[in-house]
Amino acid sequence: DIQMTQSPSSLSASVGDRVTITCQASQDISNYLNWYQQKAGKAPELLIYDASNLKTGVPSRFSGSGSGTDFTFTISSLQPEDIATYYCQHYDNFPLYTFGQGTTLGIK
Amino acid sequence: EVQLVESGGGLMKPGGSLRLSCAASGFGFSGSWMSWVRQAPGKGLEWVGRIKSRVSGGTIDYAAPVKGRFTISRDDAKSALFLQLNSLKTEDTAVYYCAAHSRVGTIDFWGQGTLVTVSS
Repeated sequence: DIQMTQSPSSLSASVGDRVTITCQASQDISNYLNWYQQKAGKAPELLIYDASNLKTGVPSRFSGSGSGTDFTFTISSLQPEDIATYYCQHYDNFPLYTFGQGTTLGIK
Repeated sequence: EVQLVESGGGLMKPGGSLRLSCAASGFGFSGSWMSWVRQAPGKGLEWVGRIKSRVSGGTIDYAAPVKGRFTISRDDAKSALFLQLNSLKTEDTAVYYCAAHSRVGTIDFWGQGTLVTVSS
């Protein structure tokens, strides 16, 4: 099975800061990597698919990059409403959908 | 607007059974692939299983921890998805989300979740 390692597990930043989260796959997964946001007590929401494609309606301050084994999720200017836990997710033949451990983002 | 509404969660004893339901609306349910994803309290997301649409063959796949104990089914006439949970274990305690795919590799829409607690 492919393992997804997300880091850091938590971080705090100030409003307006640039925030970066990484996700590393245990083997080459091309660009089959998605990013989700989950706010406290809510269901997750898809933000970015296929490593770098922004889902329609998602603010442009969110972006993703990478391919192969190393991926990055970036918030260019942190806003108070971005406080959430972020997950990377990979799709493969089996198991079909594998999530990273999550990164909890807080405000300083 | 896509809506997925889960129901059926509750408190169960180990070894018990439970059936979760998901009522879908606002999209072409019969042509959609659907999944269940769970989240143990304070933990991350874990995919449980997926059912393809009938036109795609209706294939069902399960994650290893639930294979042989959980069963996914669908009623396209009622736009409903089901998850039958048997031989429940304490480690099955989680919020169970119903989810819809608009792309094969992404989980595009999520319900609000229903809590299943397994405890003696």
